[in-house]
Amino acid sequence: DQQVKQNSPSLSVQEGRISILNCDYTNSMFDYFLWYKKYPAEGPTFLISISSIKDKNEDGRFTVFLNKSAKHLSLHIVPSQPGDSAVYFCAASALGRKALIFGKGTTLSVSS
Amino acid sequence: GAVVSQHPSRVICKSGTSVKIECRSLDFQATTMFWYRQFPKQSLMLMATSNEGSKATYEQGVEKDKFLINHASLTLSTLTVTSAHPEDSSFYICSASSDREGQLFFGSGTQLSVL
Repeated sequence: DQQVKQNSPSLSVQEGRISILNCDYTNSMFDYFLWYKKYPAEGPTFLISISSIKDKNEDGRFTVFLNKSAKHLSLHIVPSQPGDSAVYFCAASALGRKALIFGKGTTLSVSS
Repeated sequence: GAVVSQHPSRVICKSGTSVKIECRSLDFQATTMFWYRQFPKQSLMLMATSNEGSKATYEQGVEKDKFLINHASLTLSTLTVTSAHPEDSSFYICSASSDREGQLFFGSGTQLSVL
C-alpha cells in the first residue's frame, strides 16, 4: 500500500509557464514533506521542504503548498525552464523518523 | 551544502559474486545513513537504516543476510550484495542526514548489473 502517491507519471509544460506537480499521502503521522529532483543515473537532489505546521513554503521559483485536511501537497515551478526537466519525487517522514517514504515520481518535460 | 559520496557509480558482475558499495559523508558526521533501491519507473524504496556502531535495521522483505550493511564510522557506511543474482540488478542509493531535521543528502547512486 503506497503511503505517498504521485498519480501523474509525466507532465509536459512550455518554457515560461507554470509547472504544478501533485502528491497525495495517506499516513496522517507524516509531519515533514520534501521534494527532490532526479536526473537519470544520479542520486536525488533536495529542492524544497515543508513542515506540517505550515501550508506554504517558497524558495525562488519553487513553492510547495500543503493541504493537511486533504493530505495533499503540490510543487509549483514558475517560470518553468528547460533545465527543470527531470523526475520529481515527493517524499515524507513521520515524527522524527529520518527515513523518507517516496512517491513514484513525476517526469517533468519543459519545452522551449 | 552537505556532500555524500558514493562509489562505484556503476558495476557489472557475474551471478554469484559479491559487490561492495561505499557511502561517505564528506563534510559532516552522519550517525545514521539510509540505503535505498530503485527499480526502473518505480520509487526509491528504503532497504535499511544503518546506525554507526550498531546493527542495521532492515525493512520488511529485505534479506539481511544478502544485503550486508556495515557502518563502521561516522562518515562511512557500506552495503555488500552477497551472491548477487540478476534480480538484484537495480539502482542503489545511499543517503545521510545532516543536522537539519528531515533533510537527507543523497549519494549519486550505484547502478548494479548482474549477468
